[in-house]
Amino acid sequence: DTAVSQTPKYLVTQMGNDKSIKCEQNLGHDTMYWYKQDSKKFLKIMFSYNNKELIINETVPNRFSPKSPDKAHLNLHINSLELGDSAVYFCASSRTGLSDTIYFGEGSWLTVV
Amino acid sequence: GIQVEQSPPDLILQEGANSTLRCNFSDSVNNLQWFHQNPWGQLINLFYIPSGTKQNGRLSATTVATERYSLLYISSSQTTDSGVYFCAVEGYSGGGADGLTFGKGTHLIIQP
Repeated sequence: DTAVSQTPKYLVTQMGNDKSIKCEQNLGHDTMYWYKQDSKKFLKIMFSYNNKELIINETVPNRFSPKSPDKAHLNLHINSLELGDSAVYFCASSRTGLSDTIYFGEGSWLTVV
Repeated sequence: GIQVEQSPPDLILQEGANSTLRCNFSDSVNNLQWFHQNPWGQLINLFYIPSGTKQNGRLSATTVATERYSLLYISSSQTTDSGVYFCAVEGYSGGGADGLTFGKGTHLIIQP
């Protein structure tokens, strides 16, 4: 079983559309994250979230929003997609969010045309 | 925020060679991890090593927290070691649950 799984793996969509990427972890972890990897392979955190607190990277546009129906899921919603949103989005999780190993999903390749 | 610098940015080696990758960070850390991103884009955990030394097969890592650097050693390189190696840290000032700050990576190519 994949510990952190994301769907879809590949997504091609038009500018202006709204899309979601789903993430599920079966590790029983309390904290989940979304990271963005740009075309130069630079990885940057977008959000971290546990049952009590959402921490947002201040550089993330408010068109991006995380939604967590329960502790094992953290979905990423993107409104009004722009060309610059094309990237690989990685979901990740850790047991407590404090000094713990962070495990990554396999990534979702988003292309906006 | 905390800064992470990795060197060298690119490295090309012959199969069987040994290599050392370096990660410097600008502040005290409570989390440091090394990752290998393979040619298919998967991020694979190599080590969780905020301090000390660990070994796993041909790979080992050392973090000297007081001097704010970490080293990843790869011995007897194989073509499957090719990819990008990332160092990522979380600083104490983050207060937890802030996630990792990544370096720009070392792009390693192992030639047969």
